[in-house]
Order: sequence, then C-alpha cells, then structure tokens
Amino acid sequence: KAGVTQTPRYLIKTRGQQVTLSCSPISGHRSVSWYQQTPGQGLQFLFEYFSETQRNKGNFPGRFSGRQFSNSRSEMNVSTLELGDSALYLCASSLGGTHLADTQYFGPGTRLTVL
Amino acid sequence: TQLLEQSPQFLSIQEGENLTVYCNSSSVFSSLQWYRQEPGEGPVLLVTVVTGGEVKKLKRLTFQFGDARKDSSLHITAAQPGDTGLYLCAGDMVNFGKGTSLLVTP
Repeated sequence: KAGVTQTPRYLIKTRGQQVTLSCSPISGHRSVSWYQQTPGQGLQFLFEYFSETQRNKGNFPGRFSGRQFSNSRSEMNVSTLELGDSALYLCASSLGGTHLADTQYFGPGTRLTVL
Repeated sequence: TQLLEQSPQFLSIQEGENLTVYCNSSSVFSSLQWYRQEPGEGPVLLVTVVTGGEVKKLKRLTFQFGDARKDSSLHITAAQPGDTGLYLCAGDMVNFGKGTSLLVTP
C-alpha cells in the first residue's frame, strides 16, 4: 500500500506570495491533518479535514487555509507569506476514528522557504 | 503555548547505554502517542497509551503513561545507533511536544 505523498518536496517563495501544498493520503483514509514543524516551536497542528469538512482547527491565522476533495486528497494554502512561515509542512492521514484507536501516518513533508 | 514539555532536549550517548526521556504536561489527555522522526522523513508512530499507569514494551523500548494521564516516559535499554532520531510525544494525537533529539554513537 502506498504511503502518504506530499508535493512538492521543496519550495522557495518570497514574502507576500501565496503557496499551495498538496497531500495524497493512504488509500481508504478519510482524514487528513496538516502540521507545521519549526525548530523553535516544534510540531504544531494546523487543521484536520474529514470527508471534505474541516473537523478540527489549531491556532493559526486565517492566512492558512485548506480543503479536501472527494477522493480525500487535500491541499493547504498559505496567503501573503511571511518570513516566519518558513517551515516543514507535514500532512498525516488516518482512517478518521477516535484518537484512542486511530493511527496517523505522516508524509515526508514539504520544506517551504520564504525569502 | 506548548502543552507538552519534553526533556531532555538533546541527548548524546554511546551504544549499549540505557536512557529515559520524559514528556510532561499540566493537562490530562485521553491518549498519548510516541513517535520517532528521522531526518527528511515524517514522524512514525511507535506506540499509543490510553490507560493511566499503562506500561507498553516494544522490543528494547518501554513506554509508561502516568497514573494521572498527564505525563509519560520512554525508556530505551541498550541503545543502538539505529535508535538515533527525534522522539516526539503527542497528547490526543495533535498536541505535540518539541521532542528529544537522541544521538547514539558506536
């Protein structure tokens, strides 16, 4: 079974631009979660989508948005990029059950650099 | 604000040594996960603990969930170079600590 794939793997943008990152979950998984990982803050939860609906949301500004398609693939968009948005963006897919029994499988991430 | 504090932040040991890393919080969690992340890859789940006082063993790794479900520890016996990586704990799947970076040298 193929794992979680993320594209692109590396991205360089300049301040003020916007960016769209893509995540393809494991076949059969209906939940996709997005995280931002930086050396200073660690891994921080952005949001989770389940069956095309945002089910859970972290504490990030509205510049960060996402969506999920009917095939469970998900995209994350960041508008008006800031230098502090430079990070590794990870997506994770799961079946979507309760966290007591569910398992998240992470992709390799997209490394975003904002200049 | 980080709900989970992990210690130590960095750990460098020699092959064969034992070590323990800690994950502490003032919040109660229904479940706690431990992950290992290697450079260039996403985190990989090692274990999920859900019951206060629970102990789980995975080969040389022993995980314990505190009685009050606020803290956890990971003990590695006879560490090997292959154990090198970033160890992350997460409460209720989405609240991650900053991790313990472990280096095991031959």
